[in-house]
Amino acid sequence: DTAVSQTPKYLVTQMGNDKSIKCEQNLGHDTMYWYKQDSKKFLKIMFSYNNKELIINETVPNRFSPKSPDKAHLNLHINSLELGDSAVYFCASSQKPPRPGHPSSSYNSPLHFGNGTRLTVT
Amino acid sequence: AQRVTQPEKLLSVFKGAPVELKCNYSYSGSPELFWYVQYSRQRLQLLLRHISRESIKGFTADLNKGETSFHLKKPFAQEEDSAMYYCALNGGIQGAQKLVFGQGTRLTINP
Repeated sequence: DTAVSQTPKYLVTQMGNDKSIKCEQNLGHDTMYWYKQDSKKFLKIMFSYNNKELIINETVPNRFSPKSPDKAHLNLHINSLELGDSAVYFCASSQKPPRPGHPSSSYNSPLHFGNGTRLTVT
Repeated sequence: AQRVTQPEKLLSVFKGAPVELKCNYSYSGSPELFWYVQYSRQRLQLLLRHISRESIKGFTADLNKGETSFHLKKPFAQEEDSAMYYCALNGGIQGAQKLVFGQGTRLTINP
């Protein structure tokens, strides 16, 4: 009953190929994210979707295209892979905070992370 | 600009000794700060957040707006505390968190 699951766990591919990473969450959360962790362990947000709608799109090459078929899934497709794309990609989800003015509106639910997908481009 | 700095990449202390993991941030608004932890072979998970003002696994962290810091402390380290620790700042918008992470500190507790 894994909360946030990503597949595959490891992905080794050659430059120029197209690959996808899948993510699913069974927590009933509204919001899902993709984070990239580089070789120096920096974690940086790439995208965020809320109820299938893109709401955060950081400066990411347009070779990266997220797809959210429903709010429980957020897949990441990468075209024309480059050496610099090698990294660990983490999927995460969280619950949208209550509306402003609500007593709990200042509380964002914590992010629940997947185990990561280690992508190696050769 | 939103930025989180963890000056120590590696920190090693002996069991029973106090531990402090440093975190400084840069943010123009009212910050929302977190500590996330990744134990060996486990996923990244929330340790604590400044809003909660609670102690988790003996760890506490106090937001100091004057020093723009959110250091993580524990008076007596235990071996099971060995892990990777990330300080994070929420610079997001309503409906989504945009966590800005520090580079992480690998904490090793020696027996």
